[in-house]
Amino acid sequence: EAQVTQNPRYLITVTGKKLTVTCSQNMNHEYMSWYRQDPGLGLRQIYYSMNVEVTDKGDVPEGYKVSRKEKRNFPLILESPSPNQTSLYFCASSSRGQATSYEQYFGPGTRLTVT
Amino acid sequence: AQSVTQLGSHVSVSEGALVLLRCNYSSSVPPYLFWYVQYPNQGLQLLLKYTTGATLVKGINGFEAEFKKSETSFHLTKPSAHMSDAAEYFCAVRRTGANSKLTFGKGITLSVRP
Repeated sequence: EAQVTQNPRYLITVTGKKLTVTCSQNMNHEYMSWYRQDPGLGLRQIYYSMNVEVTDKGDVPEGYKVSRKEKRNFPLILESPSPNQTSLYFCASSSRGQATSYEQYFGPGTRLTVT
Repeated sequence: AQSVTQLGSHVSVSEGALVLLRCNYSSSVPPYLFWYVQYPNQGLQLLLKYTTGATLVKGINGFEAEFKKSETSFHLTKPSAHMSDAAEYFCAVRRTGANSKLTFGKGITLSVRP
């Protein structure tokens, strides 16, 4: 089954404790992206990757890091989490083919609480 | 820069009534337009998309949307609401080209009254 998986689904942590949220897709997609969803703000892009070893900032990259060492994986790293990073996080992937119109497939989300 | 406006945060309709969720966009070039639905405690699921060609687009679960370039709109409709349609709906736009970034609206919560 074609899918985007994220782990963990729920995470409660404390300020300053480094954490990683994993994202993996099995569709051989070139493009991957991280979004955060906050009430009243919709989804905002954090980072994206056009392909292996190619990453770039989205609209709200402060406090986050990413890496793309393999095509299927795109982990999101919070080196020193703060309470304002409490949010619902989504990973997404898409093919870069024109035929697919870059339709993005979303993971189930990771709900992060930073106390 | 592109942007999406979804007016209001909540729409309530009776079961069987017409559903109309509004979306206006701004983009300097012809866009790709999407509607996504998010059911409680779930991820986003694509309802429908407009790329090129026919401006009336049909999606899953009986939803459709019409791309109106002159009005820069992409409103979502469904003739008859079901209880199962209760969810949050997001309109999104992306420009044609290599960067696949989606710009989302703030979302609209649809409630369906029995």
